[in-house]
Amino acid sequence: ETGVTQTPRHLVMGMTNKKSLKCEQHLGHNAMYWYKQSAKKPLELMFVYNFKEQTENNSVPSRFSPECPNSSHLFLHLHTLQPEDSALYLCASRPSYLGGTTEAFFGQGTRLTVV
Amino acid sequence: AQTVTQSQPEMSVQEAETVTLSCTYDTSESDYYLFWYKQPPSRQMILVIRQEAYKQQNATENRFSVNFQKAAKSFSLKISDSQLGDAAMYFCASLMNYGGSQGNLIFGKGTKLSVKP
Repeated sequence: ETGVTQTPRHLVMGMTNKKSLKCEQHLGHNAMYWYKQSAKKPLELMFVYNFKEQTENNSVPSRFSPECPNSSHLFLHLHTLQPEDSALYLCASRPSYLGGTTEAFFGQGTRLTVV
Repeated sequence: AQTVTQSQPEMSVQEAETVTLSCTYDTSESDYYLFWYKQPPSRQMILVIRQEAYKQQNATENRFSVNFQKAAKSFSLKISDSQLGDAAMYFCASLMNYGGSQGNLIFGKGTKLSVKP
């Protein structure tokens, strides 16, 4: 148990559906991340939020829409996805303070299948 | 650009023996952190060990140790007395420190470690 919780753990959705992934942490961390993990590909950084502000969008298609209403919650809204978007989506958080040495804590991921 | 390279897609080790996983990285920064994460079949990413670039001493956590060669930009992980529970994907990752503000955690492609009984 890392203190980062992702729901749902598994999700199957059609290409015309709209769904959302949720990530929650109560570790006091101020930086939150979405990563995509596909078979045979490295972990791809998608979005970064620091103190609720988006600081990185790694050229992610607009069918993925992140939301960070507060430092403890991070969402990934999905709509009109493609089958190639099927992957494990990992959320991570870490402290975000100057000069600190930090590691990221990961959730267990959401296994997404687009049919 | 910040890159992390793991050149061994798969490795195998006999139980109780020692195995070394390789990682090289590229950065122009002088201040950064390096990590090894483990991802078992449960998919939970777990931190194995961490190394601060300004520290010359290699980090050690029980059976896990690193060989940090800063000039060569190499950061290998040694697992001693391998156990069946060590079987997992292992990811090397780097995090830059830009004069006090930190960059993003970037991962290598991973090495799949099998442990034979």
